[in-house]
Amino acid sequence: DSGVTQTPKHLITATGQRVTLRCSPRSGDLSVYWYQQSLDQGLQFLIHYYNGEERAKGNILERFSAQQFPDLHSELNLSSLELGDSALYFCASSAEDTLMGEAFFGQGTRLTVV
Amino acid sequence: AQKITQTQPGMFVQEKEAVTLDCTYDTSDQSYGLFWYKQPSSGEMIFLIYQGSYDEQNATEGRYSLNFQKARKSANLVISASQLGDSAMYFCAMKNRGSTLGRLYFGRGTQLTVWP
Repeated sequence: DSGVTQTPKHLITATGQRVTLRCSPRSGDLSVYWYQQSLDQGLQFLIHYYNGEERAKGNILERFSAQQFPDLHSELNLSSLELGDSALYFCASSAEDTLMGEAFFGQGTRLTVV
Repeated sequence: AQKITQTQPGMFVQEKEAVTLDCTYDTSDQSYGLFWYKQPSSGEMIFLIYQGSYDEQNATEGRYSLNFQKARKSANLVISASQLGDSAMYFCAMKNRGSTLGRLYFGRGTQLTVWP
């Protein structure tokens, strides 16, 4: 158990809908990262939050947004969903943003858009 | 741009044998970290091993070791005494002092199958 909790584990929704994925980082970790894993794109970095502030954006679509709350949990909001958004979405947390600090991943949320 | 290349889409190894999973990386930074993660069929990402660019010794963690050749920019994962439970997807990843220090750049992965 990595200590990172993601909910829900599975999500099936229709095109055009909006969903929210939730992540609780390991106790004490200030950094939260979101990644998307799909067959064609592999593992893609979406966004990074540190102690409530956005630090960096990667390949995140404008239809997607995220935030990190004062209790450090994070939510990834996906709207106007398309079939191509079907993927495994990971949240990862780390205690420090150094070269050494490994990221601990949650179990992922498998999103299926139908 | 940072890039991780894993040239082996799939590898097969017999139980109890050793296997090497290849990884090459590309970065212009002198300071970087290299990681290997395991993803079983259940989907979670499990951290295996870390190597820093300034580490002179190859990293080892139990049956996992990282064969780090800095001049060749390679960071191959060696699994000794393979077990059936090692069957999984393995990802090589890198951090550097880019726009986001903590961000990981991943390769496309190698699917390892261990057969009895």
